[in-house]
Amino acid sequence: ETGVTQTPRHLVMGMTNKKSLKCEQHLGHNAMYWYKQSAKKPLELMFVYNFKEQTENNSVPSRFSPECPNSSHLFLHLHTLQPEDSALYLCASSHSGRGTDTQYFGPGTRLTVL
Amino acid sequence: GESVGLHLPTLSVQEGDNSIINCAYSNSASDYFIWYKQESGKGPQFIIDIRSNMDKRQGQRVTVLLNKTVKHLSLQIAATQPGDSAVYFCAESIQGAQKLVFGQGTRLTINP
Repeated sequence: ETGVTQTPRHLVMGMTNKKSLKCEQHLGHNAMYWYKQSAKKPLELMFVYNFKEQTENNSVPSRFSPECPNSSHLFLHLHTLQPEDSALYLCASSHSGRGTDTQYFGPGTRLTVL
Repeated sequence: GESVGLHLPTLSVQEGDNSIINCAYSNSASDYFIWYKQESGKGPQFIIDIRSNMDKRQGQRVTVLLNKTVKHLSLQIAATQPGDSAVYFCAESIQGAQKLVFGQGTRLTINP
């Protein structure tokens, strides 16, 4: 186990639903990340939070809304998603927000949008 | 712009053989490189990293080689085992940047 947990592991939702993904890290890290992993595409960075402050938004559509209440928890709120948003959503954490810090990943949430 | 890519999307090797996974990067300003392994149903797992002031770094059964002249990175796995079957990603970062740029990934299959 990497010390990063994600729930749920699998999620099926309709385009009109609202759901949330949760990530929790038990490593004492200060930075947390959301990535999207689609088939046959590289991991796409979505958001970065450093000390609870959002420091990176990689041109993510507003139907994805992140929330970081503290350094240990990260949420991704989903609403009115599209079928092309179906993917594996990975959370990661690192000691700080520096690119040279090792990022530790959770197992991901497999999202299917119908 | 930044881009990291892998030469081969799939690689099959016999159990016990050595394997080499390659990665090309295009940003000469990148100064930190990292390899991740992703097994089915799991998130990426850190394997080994290397900074641009080094050419080679060794871990347990793994070696990363960095050739800055041709902007090439490789991961060598010695005496491959069935548990090495996974997708391997390289990633790069620029000093001061907050993000890693990941490559496409290579699926390594170990044949018995």
